[in-house]
Amino acid sequence: EPEVTQTPSHQVTQMGQEVILRCVPISNHLYFYWYRQILGQKVEFLVSFYNNEISEKSEIFDDQFSVERPDGSNFTLKIRSTKLEDSAMYFCASSEAWGGNQPQHFGDGTRLSIL
Amino acid sequence: QKEVEQNSGPLSVPEGAIASLNCTYSDRGSQSFFWYRQYSGKSPELIMFIYSNGDKEDGRFTAQLNKASQYVSLLIRDSQPSDSATYLCAVNSNSGYALNFGKGTSLLVTP
Repeated sequence: EPEVTQTPSHQVTQMGQEVILRCVPISNHLYFYWYRQILGQKVEFLVSFYNNEISEKSEIFDDQFSVERPDGSNFTLKIRSTKLEDSAMYFCASSEAWGGNQPQHFGDGTRLSIL
Repeated sequence: QKEVEQNSGPLSVPEGAIASLNCTYSDRGSQSFFWYRQYSGKSPELIMFIYSNGDKEDGRFTAQLNKASQYVSLLIRDSQPSDSATYLCAVNSNSGYALNFGKGTSLLVTP
């Protein structure tokens, strides 16, 4: 079964450094998403991306964050200057289309640890 | 503030019993409803989704939706120890792309 692939599985970064998290969505999917989950808390939406532009973003997704689809397969999340509170699991998800009967499928996540 | 509420549990059921997981949501514009399972330290795994009032069955799982009451539930029949996980209710509206998650209900199925 096709799946969303995320790399790396674990990233350790010093505070203030830039980090890029990578995702390969399911190949025929057109909508891409990033979520995060701080330890012990709920999964939170960050951003959705379609047709090479952001379609929706949350209050969490401030100027420190950016997303990009640099080629036909990868989808990246960049955090420009990491803070301690950015430590979380980051999940990439994709869906075939947008709408009520189009579920989002999640990757295994990247655990980001900021020191 | 659009809220999705779940009882955190833990909900403990014996093996073979029916587990009933509940979720309420505040946004009346919500259109589709998803149940994900999350094992500790793992990613959310889609179980099923529903967008029409009533019941939807898939194997041992049944999702129930009542939009008038803003309530969605998941029934797991013949519960197995491998069903022990946190079950996440997620909701999205017709106007948005985001999934709004509840905090999840921890289910423990005891042998």
